[in-house]
Amino acid sequence: DVKVTQSSRYLVKRTGEKVFLECVQDMDHENMFWYRQDPGLGLRLIYFSYDVKMKEKGDIPEGYSVSREKKERFSLILESASTNQTSMYLCASSPAGEGNTEAFFGQGTRLTVV
Amino acid sequence: QKEVEQDPGPLSVPEGAIVSLNCTYSNSAFQYFMWYRQYSRKGPELLMYTYSSGNKEDGRFTAQVDKSSKYISLFIRDSQPSDSATYLCAMSYNAGNMLTFGGGTRLMVKP
Repeated sequence: DVKVTQSSRYLVKRTGEKVFLECVQDMDHENMFWYRQDPGLGLRLIYFSYDVKMKEKGDIPEGYSVSREKKERFSLILESASTNQTSMYLCASSPAGEGNTEAFFGQGTRLTVV
Repeated sequence: QKEVEQDPGPLSVPEGAIVSLNCTYSNSAFQYFMWYRQYSRKGPELLMYTYSSGNKEDGRFTAQVDKSSKYISLFIRDSQPSDSATYLCAMSYNAGNMLTFGGGTRLMVKP
């Protein structure tokens, strides 16, 4: 059974803290993604990665960075957390290849910045 | 204007009803169209996938794509309380798998 695992379901952090969100997939997928989900706005892409050490900015990368040192792991970093980064964060992975567009999602991390 | 528009609902229907969920989009370059279902406190899971225009049926679910109108639909027949969830449409340009999502429609099916 395919699996994308996010390290935490709920996090509470203080403004200005450096925050790490971890995501691991066990499907040997090439592509990995970080989205944030806010009411009425749907899922918005923060960053994605096509391969180890490769990263591309999505629609809303400001205030975030990512790291992909191993194929199975994709980390999202909030360099200095702010209250407007309170959100649900979703990690996803998908295989590379023409026409194969199914993305598998983790359970999400609900981050609150106080 | 968002690239993909979706009525947020909530949409409340009685058990057994036919449900119609819709999205409109502005970018004619989208080629792949998907519907994801998301239960409360869970990540989204793929429900239906369609390439280009046309219909696709899977059990009680039918996905329709009308590229000329930039309009996609998901129909649920004989809706069940277990169908209560948020339904997200998503689309992409190519096999690069960068998905653009609608805002989601919350569906409630009442017994």
